[in-house]
Amino acid sequence: GAGVSQSPSNKVTEKGKDVELRCDPISGHTALYWYRQSLGQGLEFLIYFQGNSAPDKSGLPSDRFSAERTGGSVSTLTIQRTQQEDSAVYLCASSYLTYEQFFGPGTRLTVL
Amino acid sequence: SQELEQSPQSLIVQEGKNLTINCTSSKTLYGLYWYKQKYGEGLIFLMMLQKGGEEKSHEKITAKLDEKKQQSSLHITASQPSHAGIYLCGAEFTGGGNKLTFGTGTQLKVEL
Repeated sequence: GAGVSQSPSNKVTEKGKDVELRCDPISGHTALYWYRQSLGQGLEFLIYFQGNSAPDKSGLPSDRFSAERTGGSVSTLTIQRTQQEDSAVYLCASSYLTYEQFFGPGTRLTVL
Repeated sequence: SQELEQSPQSLIVQEGKNLTINCTSSKTLYGLYWYKQKYGEGLIFLMMLQKGGEEKSHEKITAKLDEKKQQSSLHITASQPSHAGIYLCGAEFTGGGNKLTFGTGTQLKVEL
């Protein structure tokens, strides 16, 4: 497809479980970003990958959150021991170098 | 306090009317993005501004960047129901890397 894709589109999990969210960036894009959007906090930056550089993890809210990007393409955001406050829409974006960021449709995570 | 303030928070206009949304930064801007979001969907890229005084247009939407005031305005001419949604400004700050900091959004409703 031409755009950023994310899976699953919806995820419901129980408190304490681990979840993995996937992002497929636009082909050829060098940078990949994760954000989350929640009612209380708005849209917040989580982590950013650019090429082979070390990722900018400055937005990750706790050490329960981690992300990796394999082969410079697909990325997985992992949340361990989920808490109710992790419920949010997780958005992925990609860009070519530092140009415009294009967003995927998001994964809605609900922690019961 | 928010690094990026948007105003107004919500706006209801009659179809055909013009409107303006403002985004003001408390830090030095490297780039300013405008996105539109419909409920439950991802962000649609509208425009990116980088240079002071820069103005860009897309269909009936125009955005300007005032570098001195560290402010951007988004203007919609002759609004239509298709313009309804949430408008978000996102900023790249000088020295902050490519991650975006977002405003709280402006919800626009267009009445027939």
